[in-house]
Amino acid sequence: DVKVTQSSRYLVKRTGEKVFLECVQDMDHENMFWYRQDPGLGLRLIYFSYDVKMKEKGDIPEGYSVSREKKERFSLILESASTNQTSMYLCASSQRFSQTDTQYFGPGTRLTVL
Amino acid sequence: AQSVTQLDSHVSVSEGTPVLLRCNYSSSYSPSLFWYVQHPNKGLQLLLKYTSAATLVKGINGFEAEFKKSETSFHLTKPSAHMSDAAEYFCVVSDRTSTGFQKLVFGTGTRLLVSP
Repeated sequence: DVKVTQSSRYLVKRTGEKVFLECVQDMDHENMFWYRQDPGLGLRLIYFSYDVKMKEKGDIPEGYSVSREKKERFSLILESASTNQTSMYLCASSQRFSQTDTQYFGPGTRLTVL
Repeated sequence: AQSVTQLDSHVSVSEGTPVLLRCNYSSSYSPSLFWYVQHPNKGLQLLLKYTSAATLVKGINGFEAEFKKSETSFHLTKPSAHMSDAAEYFCVVSDRTSTGFQKLVFGTGTRLLVSP
């Protein structure tokens, strides 16, 4: 079974702090994704990566950056956390970029910014 | 751009009765469509996907969905609800980024409540 793990289930940070969210997948997938989930809005794509050191902006990249130094690990970085970044963050991975490809999700990190 | 609309934010059923979660899509080409489920405090799990083969798609846990091009719909059904089906369900369409990569576009979700 594909396993996608995220470093924390719950995180509380202060406004202005630098925040790192880590994601690891164990299936040698090429592609990794970061989403945020907010009530009534579904999931929205922040960034994705299609190879080591390669990344592309999603629909809502402002205030975020990412890092992929190794194939299995994809980090989301909030350079200076703000209260409007309080949300559930979900990481996903997939094998290819075909239109039919399944994405596999981690359990999520609920981030609260005070 | 592709999009999906989930017509109900909440659906309540009794255990043992049928489930219907409605989803309409908008697509400029033949779409790939998915249903994902999210149980409380868990990640999203794929229920089923339509990839232009059979229009009736069977998924896990007794769920199925029918692709209807004439109605631009992809409704999720189950003949008999279980208490364990209580969760949030997302209808999803596959789209392409401006650089040609696949991305998923999620609906806003339908919360299914199952009462004894």
